[in-house]
Formats: sequence, structure tokens, C-alpha cells
Amino acid sequence: SAVISQKPSRDICQRGTSLTIQCQVDSQVTMMFWYRQQPGQSLTLIATANQGSEATYESGFVIDKFPISRPNLTFSTLTVSNMSPEDSSIYLCSVEEASGRIRGTDTQYFGPGTRLTVL
Amino acid sequence: AQSVAQPEDQVNVAEGNPLTVKCTYSVSGNPYLFWYVQYPNRGLQFLLKYITGDNLVKGSYGFEAEFNKSQTSFHLKKPSALVSDSALYFCAVRDPPGGSYIPTFGRGTSLIVHP
Repeated sequence: SAVISQKPSRDICQRGTSLTIQCQVDSQVTMMFWYRQQPGQSLTLIATANQGSEATYESGFVIDKFPISRPNLTFSTLTVSNMSPEDSSIYLCSVEEASGRIRGTDTQYFGPGTRLTVL
Repeated sequence: AQSVAQPEDQVNVAEGNPLTVKCTYSVSGNPYLFWYVQYPNRGLQFLLKYITGDNLVKGSYGFEAEFNKSQTSFHLKKPSALVSDSALYFCAVRDPPGGSYIPTFGRGTSLIVHP
């Protein structure tokens, strides 16, 4: 299984600033995902990031607010821009093993998360 | 469309007793079902999945889950709970033919195992 690390593990930021979260995987993966987990709630997918193409954003999330980079097959960044207290959340990076089996059957693996507090 | 429900926000069980964390799903095709566990201040860890075949799936840490198509359920079980099993548990479903290959996660169930 893939081993995923995220930086920073947590941060406290001021309103109006931006934070870039890094995600590093120990193996090459095609698909990377960014999720948000708000307190007491489930995971919400922000976007899917494939190397060599623009990220695909889910409804309610836009590139200006959450720009994503995917420069290679082991690394991605998510920036939370112009932050407000409503952005306080845990941000999770996830990857999917590429087994070559039927799409949708592969397991997703998650990083430890970045706990963001916006004051 | 695909959806998943975890009807219990919290499950309390005494150490040594069997535990069940419930999950029901709704899909238009055949579901791919997953269970994940999240310990405090950690990311999600994969426990087990059902894709096809035997309805009883065994996973990590002694957990198992039973796929029940008629009841559209995929409950997580363990014969004897440990205090260290206390965590947040998420069920997820994928239905690529009828819904999406992107998983839909349940709200999570907090499992508390009392000594």
C-alpha cells in the first residue's frame, strides 16, 4: 500500500491569507484526490488531480479558491486561498492504487491530514 | 446515483463484547463497498472491501463485514472489541456503472469501547 505524507500537519492562519499543503507519495500514482473533512462531518471531495492535466473540481469548489498543482506522479499541492474561518477543516490527500483491475474497485489510501484553523 | 448511510452517530460497547457498525447503501448497479477507520489526529486507514464473490469479507485488525444484497447493507463486525478499536469508522460506496467511480462516504460512526 502507498505511504503518504502531508505538510504541514497543522497550522493556524489569519483570515485573508493563503496556505499551501503538500502531499508526497512513496510510489508513482496516476490519480490523487484532495478531500475536506469538517468537524463532525464526512469527507467531501474537493478535486481530482491527475499528472499532466488540469485538476477536476467537484461542485462547490473552484480553482481560484483551491488551486492544485500536480507536477509529477508522486507529488501534489493544494492551496487554500483568501482563507476565512469557514475554511477551518482537515484537508486530506488520497491516492488510488493502480492495479489495472476494473475501475472503481481499487483501494484509496489517505495521508494523515492537515488540520487548518483560520482565525 | 449512489449514496450510503451510517444510521448511528455513536456506538458504545464493552471490551470483549461483539461489535457491529451499521452501513446501508443505495446504488443503481452493483456496489463496491469499503470500510475505513480513522484514529484521532490521523488519516483514514483501509480496513476491507467488497467487490464480488463471498459475501463475508475479512479485513485488518480482526474486522469483517457481510454484504447483504437484499437488505442493501454492509455492516462491519468484530467478535471481541478492544479498547484500541475506539475510533471513527467510515463506510463508502462506489457504483461506476450507475453512479460514479468516485466513492461516496458515510457520515461516520464513532465507536467507543469501554474497558
